[in-house]
Amino acid sequence: KQEVTQIPAALSVPEGENLVLNCSFTDSAIYNLQWFRQDPGKGLTSLLLIQSSQREQTSGRLNASLDKSSGRSTLYIAASQPGDSATYLCAPAGDDYKLSFGAGTTVTVRA
Amino acid sequence: GAVVSQHPSRVICKSGTSVKIECRSLDFQATTMFWYRQFPKQSLMLMATSNEGSKATYEQGVEKDKFLINHASLTLSTLTVTSAHPEDSSFYICSARLSGRVGSPLHFGNGTRLTVT
Repeated sequence: KQEVTQIPAALSVPEGENLVLNCSFTDSAIYNLQWFRQDPGKGLTSLLLIQSSQREQTSGRLNASLDKSSGRSTLYIAASQPGDSATYLCAPAGDDYKLSFGAGTTVTVRA
Repeated sequence: GAVVSQHPSRVICKSGTSVKIECRSLDFQATTMFWYRQFPKQSLMLMATSNEGSKATYEQGVEKDKFLINHASLTLSTLTVTSAHPEDSSFYICSARLSGRVGSPLHFGNGTRLTVT
C-alpha cells in the first residue's frame, strides 16, 4: 500500500517568498505523480503532472521535480502571492491510475 | 480543459434516507471514474473505481451495499449513499480520466458536502 507523506504540514510566509513543498512516497513503482491545489471546502485543481520517466515539469511560477528511485517529489512556487494560499496535495499514481494522497501542506501567504 | 461537474455541491438529509450524487465529464468521455471521500483535516481516501458498463470495484473496508455506484454512460457516474447515518457525513469527490489517453491527468469535480442529521 502506497504511503504518502508531505512535509511541512503547514507553512506561513510573507508575500514574495519562494515556497518549497516536499512529498515522499514509499512505493517507487509509480506511473506518474500529480500535484493538486485544494481551496477550503472545494474540489481539487490539478497543477502539474509528472510522468515516471520525467525529472521535472514547469508551469508558470510552479516547478515540480521527481526523483522516482528515492520516492521524492518537490513542488516549488516562485514569488508567492496571497492567492497561492491553499492546501497542496501530492498524489502518486500506480499503473492502475489510482491516486494515493498525502495529507497535504497548508500554505498561507501573508500580504 | 477537461471539466468534471459534480452535483449537488451540498446536501443535508435525515438519517435513514438515501442521497444520490452525480459526476459528469462535460467535454470528454471517461470509461473510468473514481470516488473519494475526505473527512475534515484529513486526506482523500479512495472509495471505489467506477467502470462504464460494468460493476464498480470497491476498496477494502468500503461497503458496496451502502455506497451504490452506477456508471451507465461514458460521461456519467452516480454514487448513492443508502440509509445514510451521521457518520456518513463527509466530503465526497469524484474524478475522471480521459478515455484512451494513457498517462493523462485525473480531473476532479468540486465535491459534495453531505451532512446527515
